Amino acid sequence: EIVLTQSPGTLSLSPGERATLSCRASQSVSGRALAWYQQKPGQAPRLLIFSASSRATGIPDRFSGSESGTDFTLTISRLEPEDFAVYYCQQYSSSPRAFGQGTKVEIK
Amino acid sequence: QEQLVQSGAEVKKPGASVKVSCKASGYTFTDYYLHWVRQAPGQGLEYMGWINPSSGYTDYAQLFQGRVTMTRDTSISTAYLELSRLRSDDTAVYFCARDYFRVNTAMRTGLHSLFYFWGQGTMVTVSS
Repeated sequence: EIVLTQSPGTLSLSPGERATLSCRASQSVSGRALAWYQQKPGQAPRLLIFSASSRATGIPDRFSGSESGTDFTLTISRLEPEDFAVYYCQQYSSSPRAFGQGTKVEIK
Repeated sequence: QEQLVQSGAEVKKPGASVKVSCKASGYTFTDYYLHWVRQAPGQGLEYMGWINPSSGYTDYAQLFQGRVTMTRDTSISTAYLELSRLRSDDTAVYFCARDYFRVNTAMRTGLHSLFYFWGQGTMVTVSS
């Protein structure tokens, strides 16, 4: 079973700053089958990134994903006011298809 | 426009069952797996399982086996989640989500459970 550990739990930043979110897998994620989702209060999650680094349809290019072994990173190059939310990683290479515990990006 | 529309909020007593619906539109219902994910108040996302709307085959997360049933009615493009023997810790928002990969791709490659878009969520409250 692959366990995903996200860090930090909370990231306090100002608009315009760069956000770097981490997701570490307990073992190799086959085929780079890792996704990132954004969730705002009272809303359903939204797919941002799949295959570790591919942006979903309509996602701005300030969002990017990368991978180095079992470490995955979501980077938001310059935070916009609408980017303050909770972000989850999720692997879809093997069962159970679980999520990380989430990182909250809050306004400093 | 592809979308999933879920049924309204429910309040149930401990020990009861709840059935949540998820109606698909804008795409061919039987072409993609349909998933269920829940989120307790202030908590993270918890995966429950999926159904293949074409065959009716289901795969449930271990935590829910024995209490969850996922079904579908292809004539009205609707999937259902039924959770039985409800407890207070089942209080949560329940989401359905459509897979990114087509059923035939999923069966051929084993790649599935990438959640392309989601329903709006259904709040289920379990309280005596």
